[in-house]
Amino acid sequence: KAGVTQTPRYLIKTRGQQVTLSCSPISGHRSVSWYQQTPGQGLQFLFEYFSETQRNKGNFPGRFSGRQFSNSRSEMNVSTLELGDSALYLCASSQGGTSTDTQYFGPGTRLTVL
Amino acid sequence: GENVEQHPSTLSVQEGDSAVIKCTYSDSASNYFPWYKQELGKGPQLIIDIRSNVGEKKDQRIAVTLNKTAKHFSLHITETQPEDSAVYFCAASDTGNQFYFGTGTSLTVIP
Repeated sequence: KAGVTQTPRYLIKTRGQQVTLSCSPISGHRSVSWYQQTPGQGLQFLFEYFSETQRNKGNFPGRFSGRQFSNSRSEMNVSTLELGDSALYLCASSQGGTSTDTQYFGPGTRLTVL
Repeated sequence: GENVEQHPSTLSVQEGDSAVIKCTYSDSASNYFPWYKQELGKGPQLIIDIRSNVGEKKDQRIAVTLNKTAKHFSLHITETQPEDSAVYFCAASDTGNQFYFGTGTSLTVIP
């Protein structure tokens, strides 16, 4: 099975712009979670989607949003970019999205905000 | 919500020695504890996991132990090799399907 894929791998944006990141889960996986990884804060949970519905949300401002499509692919959007949004954005997929399902991570999208 | 603490933040060992990384969690309802290895420029990769109905699990040179009473779990790597050098993360999953990660341990295996 192919693993979790994320596109693009690298992005450079300027403050005030918006960005859309894409994640394709492992075939058959219905849950997709997004994380922000920074050197200072580690891995922080953004949100989780299951069957096109946002099921969990972390403590991030409304500028961070996401959605999931019927084929389980997911996108996250960040509007009005700030310098502090520079980070590695990771998505992870799991089969049924239960608390004991293993999450498998993609390689991440490295976002740099100038 | 859940709070996961991980120690140490950095660890250096000689090749062939053992490495131990410890994590504690706060929510007694957490029931799944995976460990991930992240190499430079890559996403975290699952290396071993344990569920709350099990006290210990082993996979070749890697083992994880779980003490539910004390709310801590540990990763043990024996016979370390240079390719074990990476950042290791522990995590805990609560009944709300949300994962909480430790802050990571940078392991260096010195040849």
